[in-house]
Amino acid sequence: QKEVEQNSGPLSVPEGAIASLNCTYSDRGSQSFFWYRQYSGKSPELIMSIYSNGDKEDGRFTAQLNKASQYVSLLIRDSQPSDSATYLCAVTGYQKVTFGIGTKLQVIP
Amino acid sequence: EPEVTQTPSHQVTQMGQEVILRCVPISNHLYFYWYRQILGQKVEFLVSFYNNEISEKSEIFDDQFSVERPDGSNFTLKIRSTKLEDSAMYFCASRTGPGAGYTFGSGTRLTVV
Repeated sequence: QKEVEQNSGPLSVPEGAIASLNCTYSDRGSQSFFWYRQYSGKSPELIMSIYSNGDKEDGRFTAQLNKASQYVSLLIRDSQPSDSATYLCAVTGYQKVTFGIGTKLQVIP
Repeated sequence: EPEVTQTPSHQVTQMGQEVILRCVPISNHLYFYWYRQILGQKVEFLVSFYNNEISEKSEIFDDQFSVERPDGSNFTLKIRSTKLEDSAMYFCASRTGPGAGYTFGSGTRLTVV
């Protein structure tokens, strides 16, 4: 059974702080790693993809991948109240994408 | 920005009735999926569809479920005899190829009463 594990939270951070979201996965054959943002009652929205070890930055978001440790993380710099959402970690080995439960992030103004 | 379109946005049905959920994937995408999310739970895989056939299905996707791509654009999920536990948000997704991220539709909230 391929698993993706996340702390469901909530993770509360003050506005302007860095939010750090973490994820581990069980399938060593996984090749592609994603972070999705899901607002309450809405569909998941892809915000970051990462395919190789290291960091990938896009604006205020940085995704980090460590395949040896089977660990993916997402850093959100200068967190804004509009970043308050559930962040889903997702993993695929070229078949279906498997999602974690998601971490609920609350950015406090 | 191309998008995946789902209809209806909300459907209420009586237990035992058949429902059809509809999706129009992004036109140059080749891989299509149905997922569901019960309130407060994970986004769960139901079925994947490629080259006009099912490529993978989960344990949830039993004989009560079927998928079709009847006309080259629409992608449908049929539930033959709905149960109370089928109440969930159903998401259609598509992507360009294996390893790419999904684009999700806005979802259909199915309520079985």
